[in-house]
Amino acid sequence: QQQVKQSPQSLIVQKGGIPIINCAYENTAFDYFPWYQQFPGKGPALLIAIRPDVSEKKEGRFTISFNKSAKQFSLHIMDSQPGDSATYFCAAKRGSSYKLIFGSGTRLLVRP
Amino acid sequence: ETGVTQTPRHLVMGMTNKKSLKCEQHLGHNAMYWYKQSAKKPLELMFVYSLEERVENNSVPSRFSPECPNSSHLFLHLHTLQPEDSALYLCASSAGGGLDTQYFGPGTRLTVL
Repeated sequence: QQQVKQSPQSLIVQKGGIPIINCAYENTAFDYFPWYQQFPGKGPALLIAIRPDVSEKKEGRFTISFNKSAKQFSLHIMDSQPGDSATYFCAAKRGSSYKLIFGSGTRLLVRP
Repeated sequence: ETGVTQTPRHLVMGMTNKKSLKCEQHLGHNAMYWYKQSAKKPLELMFVYSLEERVENNSVPSRFSPECPNSSHLFLHLHTLQPEDSALYLCASSAGGGLDTQYFGPGTRLTVL
């Protein structure tokens, strides 16, 4: 119930491609879904987040799609660039809680 | 210094050693966190402090002992660790709970021999 399942584990795309990373959750009490980006040697940094009252949120080239009935959400990176090569983590929490439940991460490589 | 800083960045210790990890946040936040990041596993929340009081303790072995002397500093005291404790230990802070963003430090890479 507390898990967030993330796939794929790794992903390779060409520059300009649209990588898609998927996450699924079980706990219907979750109401906040952030995505974090982590570069080697750095801690994770918040990229974009969504609440379940909307089905899509865009910030620049990053889009979250949210399907409440399926309990799934995904990250799309438009016009991907080599600088987007990083590990991406989805997460979920109840809004009132301090506890973020993370997915296992997706290592993305964008080839020039 | 800005953001969340952690020292040391790398630590190698034997199973009988005692060491401490330090975290400092320069963001004026009230909540601080310790996470463990192991290869191919999700980040695991270890401890949360809010206004210097522990609010989460997720079944962490007693060989890990947190300390939060004030809202800007967080320590993780380590003693008699096991090789499986080798991991990246991340500190984070947030203004509060709820929807407040957690800001992470760069982590301490710990190796237990």
